[in-house]
Amino acid sequence: QVQLVESGGGVVQPGKSLRLSCAASGFTLSNYYMHWVRQAPGKGLEWVAYDGSNKYYADSVKGRFTISRDNAKNTLYLQMDSLRPEDTAVYYCARVLVPGTHAMDYWGQGTLVAVSS
Amino acid sequence: EIMMTQSPATLSVSPGERATLSCRASQSIKNNLAWYQQKPGQAPRLLIYGASTRATGIPATFSGSGSGAEFTLTISSLQSEDFAVYYCQQYSNWPLTFGGGTKVEIK
Repeated sequence: QVQLVESGGGVVQPGKSLRLSCAASGFTLSNYYMHWVRQAPGKGLEWVAYDGSNKYYADSVKGRFTISRDNAKNTLYLQMDSLRPEDTAVYYCARVLVPGTHAMDYWGQGTLVAVSS
Repeated sequence: EIMMTQSPATLSVSPGERATLSCRASQSIKNNLAWYQQKPGQAPRLLIYGASTRATGIPATFSGSGSGAEFTLTISSLQSEDFAVYYCQQYSNWPLTFGGGTKVEIK
């Protein structure tokens, strides 16, 4: 069955870097476009980044975060640099249902990133 | 950026009753809208895409309607497992944006 498992979260100081991973199983990652979405504690959902025919980023992370993938490892990544306290959130990776829509049909369980000194 | 506004913020409903949730876009998004359900401590689950198409495995008690800038999610008869937070999301333009959510609670 389709599964997405995020890892790499943790507590990090402002200005530092972190790389999140999203391991996909039950499907071939190279056949799908993918997103990262985050959720600050007690808040709503915020789209972060997209990897498809092009890459797109939210303005709040543009220039600091980089989305990438390793299709051979069936893994999606989010490199997060120059982290800020406002980046504190649970980060989810999510699969695009079908090209042409950006509805997300499978989500991981999320990994918590806490940016604090 | 397209702003998505959901109302009400909280909806109190008795089990077995109907719930109607609204989502409004700041400009036309045609039918490029999805609805998600999220329970505490869980990832969101896709319910509806294309404004009205149920995702795989979603029961017929969930229905979506609307186009342009006004959308509705209807839960025809609330079951205990339906009490959760519901989000709409537009995918017409970058950046993708979500509404602030509607919490459906037991009355």
